[in-house]
Amino acid sequence: QQPVQSPQAVILREGEDAVINCSSSKALYSVHWYRQKHGEAPVFLMILLKGGEQKGHEKISASFNEKKQQSSLYLTASQLSYSGTYFCGTDQSGGKLIFGQGTELSVKP
Amino acid sequence: DAGVIQSPRHEVTEMGQEVTLRCKPISGHDYLFWYRQTMMRGLELLIYFNNNVPIDDSGMPEDRFSAKMPNASFSTLKIQPSEPRDSAVYFCASRRQGNTGELFFGEGSRLTVL
Repeated sequence: QQPVQSPQAVILREGEDAVINCSSSKALYSVHWYRQKHGEAPVFLMILLKGGEQKGHEKISASFNEKKQQSSLYLTASQLSYSGTYFCGTDQSGGKLIFGQGTELSVKP
Repeated sequence: DAGVIQSPRHEVTEMGQEVTLRCKPISGHDYLFWYRQTMMRGLELLIYFNNNVPIDDSGMPEDRFSAKMPNASFSTLKIQPSEPRDSAVYFCASRRQGNTGELFFGEGSRLTVL
């Protein structure tokens, strides 16, 4: 079952914050977050393994609420380099990684 | 480490022709995934292998698609016969055993079927 991401697209000015949400109808083992630049392959950002876990990567952090089967990605003080499409990937059965539809993020100067 | 290697990077073919996409995973990785990416469907999981064994092929669209992993360092995705709707970017990715492993993607094979 494909996870659902929201919003589908967001436009920011440099320095603004954004939140991308990911929800699943099934219980999750873990949640992955990836960023893909146009014409390139997705690149790993972080993985969350436990309910309530939070992780950070520079000014990008994420949370995972196991009970609600939801994860959120937080982008703080966005930079131009943050532009791209963000995907959450959910591991529902110990290995099988399914991706959401993606959230296109554009950061303008 | 060389990363996940895919070939060809670009393929243009005519409808009805056979297409074979190749992938070499990162050495030591136990899982190999094939994904297809289009604007309409996003990143779709087609099939994945664990220790060279196909575990779930429920994402393979139809019998025209087949995938093999004859050994730990090589996998193929074959489309026969190809159709215009198969045009997409096909990614191969690999990861280690366990649920802490990040997925490493190859650069993708862009397929255009005319």
